[in-house]
Amino acid sequence: DAGVTQSPTHLIKTRGQQVTLRCSPKSGHDTVSWYQQALGQGPQFIFQYYEEEERQRGNFPDRFSGHQFPNYSSELNVNALLLGDSALYLCASSLQSGHYSGNTIYFGEGSWLTVV
Amino acid sequence: KQEVTQIPAALSVPEGENLVLNCSFTDSAIYNLQWFRQDPGKGLTSLLLIQSSQREQTSGRLNASLDKSSGRSTLYIAASQPGDSATYLCAVKGGVEETSGSRLTFGEGTQLTVNP
Repeated sequence: DAGVTQSPTHLIKTRGQQVTLRCSPKSGHDTVSWYQQALGQGPQFIFQYYEEEERQRGNFPDRFSGHQFPNYSSELNVNALLLGDSALYLCASSLQSGHYSGNTIYFGEGSWLTVV
Repeated sequence: KQEVTQIPAALSVPEGENLVLNCSFTDSAIYNLQWFRQDPGKGLTSLLLIQSSQREQTSGRLNASLDKSSGRSTLYIAASQPGDSATYLCAVKGGVEETSGSRLTFGEGTQLTVNP
């Protein structure tokens, strides 16, 4: 049973460029959340997708956008990259039906983005 | 706004020692609390999930407790081993302002080093 898979694992971009990160959730999961983790800090919630719609959003600018596909996989897009966007981007998957009671959330290995 | 604090930020202990990691949160209206482990440059691995109605959970040498009313949780690691060296993150789901209960709010983690 494959867990949460993310791609690419590492990438380097230049300021002002755009980047797309991809995530495939754990088999059977229908909800994908994205988190940004700067070096030495805890992850910060970006947004969550369920049924191909953004359901909740953290305190991130509109430069951060996403998409969820019918197969539940998801993309995170960041436009007009800034140096401060350099971070580990983590994808998490879960089952929407259990999110209030608290089924375990599973994280991928992340995508390391460096903006130069 | 939910805030999570972890103390200490870093901890170094000799192999075999029992240790306690602390987590506190400001809004006690949570659905659950989850402890994660993160190895350098890697994603998050879930260790223990405690529902809001529970007081503790155990897995092997790990025991996590939750005192929801006081906004505190502890992760107890028995007979520590060098392989336990990692960053341990505490995350809560929910809070008074969380209408959908989707996001996890993380602490900044405790970096644990177990010396042989």
